[in-house]
Amino acid sequence: AQTVTQSQPEMSVQEAETVTLSCTYDTSESDYYLFWYKQPPSRQMILVIRQEAYKQQNATENRFSVNFQKAAKSFSLKISDSQLGDAAMYFCAYRSAEYGNKLVFGAGTILRVKS
Amino acid sequence: DSGVTQTPKHLITATGQRVTLRCSPRSGDLSVYWYQQSLDQGLQFLIQYYNGEERAKGNILERFSAQQFPDLHSELNLSSLELGDSALYFCASSVSPTGQDTQYFGPGTRLTVL
Repeated sequence: AQTVTQSQPEMSVQEAETVTLSCTYDTSESDYYLFWYKQPPSRQMILVIRQEAYKQQNATENRFSVNFQKAAKSFSLKISDSQLGDAAMYFCAYRSAEYGNKLVFGAGTILRVKS
Repeated sequence: DSGVTQTPKHLITATGQRVTLRCSPRSGDLSVYWYQQSLDQGLQFLIQYYNGEERAKGNILERFSAQQFPDLHSELNLSSLELGDSALYFCASSVSPTGQDTQYFGPGTRLTVL
């Protein structure tokens, strides 16, 4: 079974600075998808970024980018120019390409942004 | 706004009772997924329906059941409720049955069992 590990329960960043959230996963599959979801205090789950395992290029969405290291099974999220609105719980998630019915989530990292 | 709607937003009930949570997927999405988010177990996949048929099952208790109707809305039924069932229940939707696309989440239903 696939597992997702987020080793940082909580992180802090100063406004306008850069922060990196870590995620590792365990799988025997070669084709899969990885996601970062954001959960602000409203509790809504919001997709931040998506990475296909077959793509070597790291995904980027505005101030959000990932560092995908397939061999190391690592998928970190970098947030540049942090804003107060980035404060939230961030979840890393795995989805099989072959049996892609469910998302397997990590435990989450709380990100605090200081002004 | 993801386009996925869930009702009610909050539900408070007593142990032993039965409740129904409702989800309407995004327009055009045929797959509906249910997830449970609790303090002790995190976010867990419960069940998936695609175009009215059960497609995949996760850690769903026997006391829980779901269905998807011809208009594609879905209901999650929770019965014989226990204190430990208190959680945030999310519905998500996507177009495909096989998970090649992104799941978009609704705002969730907060269930409190007293």
